[in-house]
This record gives sequence, structure tokens and C-alpha cells, in this order.
Amino acid sequence: AQTVTQSQPEMSVQEAETVTLSCTYDTSESDYYLFWYKQPPSRQMILVIRQEAYKQQNATENRFSVNFQKAAKSFSLKISDSQLGDAAMYFCAYRSEGGSQGNLIFGKGTKLSVKP
Amino acid sequence: EAGVTQFPSHSVIEKGQTVTLRCDPISGHDNLYWYRRVMGKEIKFLLHFVKESKQDESGMPNNRFLAERTGGTYSTLKVQPAELEDSGVYFCASRRGGGSSYEQYFGPGTRLTVT
Repeated sequence: AQTVTQSQPEMSVQEAETVTLSCTYDTSESDYYLFWYKQPPSRQMILVIRQEAYKQQNATENRFSVNFQKAAKSFSLKISDSQLGDAAMYFCAYRSEGGSQGNLIFGKGTKLSVKP
Repeated sequence: EAGVTQFPSHSVIEKGQTVTLRCDPISGHDNLYWYRRVMGKEIKFLLHFVKESKQDESGMPNNRFLAERTGGTYSTLKVQPAELEDSGVYFCASRRGGGSSYEQYFGPGTRLTVT
């Protein structure tokens, strides 16, 4: 069975600085998707960024980028020029590529605080 | 386009009582998922509907949980009778039909507290 591990329960970053959130996963599959979701306080979870395992190029979305190391089964999220609105719980998630189920496997989350 | 909505946002019940959670997916989304996050733990998959059919309910903890999706629109998740360990946040997500590559959109969650 696949597992996702986020080893940092909490992280803190100064506004305008860069922070990296860690995520490792375990799978025997070769094709899959990886995601970072953000859940601001009292708001719903939204997708930040996704990575297809077959793509070697790291995904980027504006200030958010990932470092995807398939052999090491590592999928870290880098947030550049941190803003106060980035404060949230961040969840790393895995999904198999095959079949039509599509259910996500999540890590425990990392709570990110942004200091002004 | 309206997002995924869930009702209620918070429910406090006593052990042994019954609670029904509701999820309204994004219109046209055939796939509907229920997840649960117990405090300090991972968000865990509960079950997956495709239209009105249960595609996968391997994550349902036990037979005290009953999920329905009549007509393939909104879904309900009933817990009867509730136990203390059922406390947590219940999330619903929906996804368009077709392949599994489409994004899941999450609702705000229902926080269930069993006392």
C-alpha cells in the first residue's frame, strides 16, 4: 500500500523569504500523480500544484515549485517570496494513475506560519 | 460555478446519537469522494461514488457508517450510533467524469464532535 510522510508538523517563515516543505512517499507503482494541497484556516482545501510521475521536469505555479526526485521518492514544495496569505496547512497527496478510482492518499500535513 | 458545499459546518452530538452529513458536489461532477481527518492524523479516504453507485467503499471504518447518493447528485453520510472515535473533520470532494487525471475539488468539511 502507498504511504505519504510529511516529517514537519509545523514550519515558520518570514514574509518575503523562501520556505521548503518536505514530503516523501512509498509506492511500488511507476505511474502516479503527486499533489500539494493548501487549507487556509476555516477554509476549504485547494490544489496548489500537481506533478505527473512520468514528467522529469519539476512543476511550477507562480511562487510555488516542487523538487520531484522520483528515485528518492521525494516531493518537496518550495514557496518563494512568502506572503501572509500563504499561512495554512499544507498536505502532500498521492494518487495512482491506473484505474478510475482516483482516491487520494494524504500525509499528516504541515502547518505553515508566516511572520510579518 | 458553485463549489462543493457541505452541511452542517459543525455538529456536536452525544455518543449513541445519529448524525447525517450532507455533501453537494459541483454540478455535473460524476465522482464524489468522502474523506475523514481525525485530529493529528492523516486525511483518510472513506469511499467513492460514481454517479449513484459506490465504486469503492474500502475506507469505511465499520457498518455504523452509511453513505448514499440518490440520483447521483448530493450525498449523505450517516453515522449511527456515533462513537467517540468518530470525531474528526469529514471532507467531501468531487471530480469530473472520465479518467482519473482530473482534479478533485474539496468542500470546507464538517467538523463532528462526539461527546
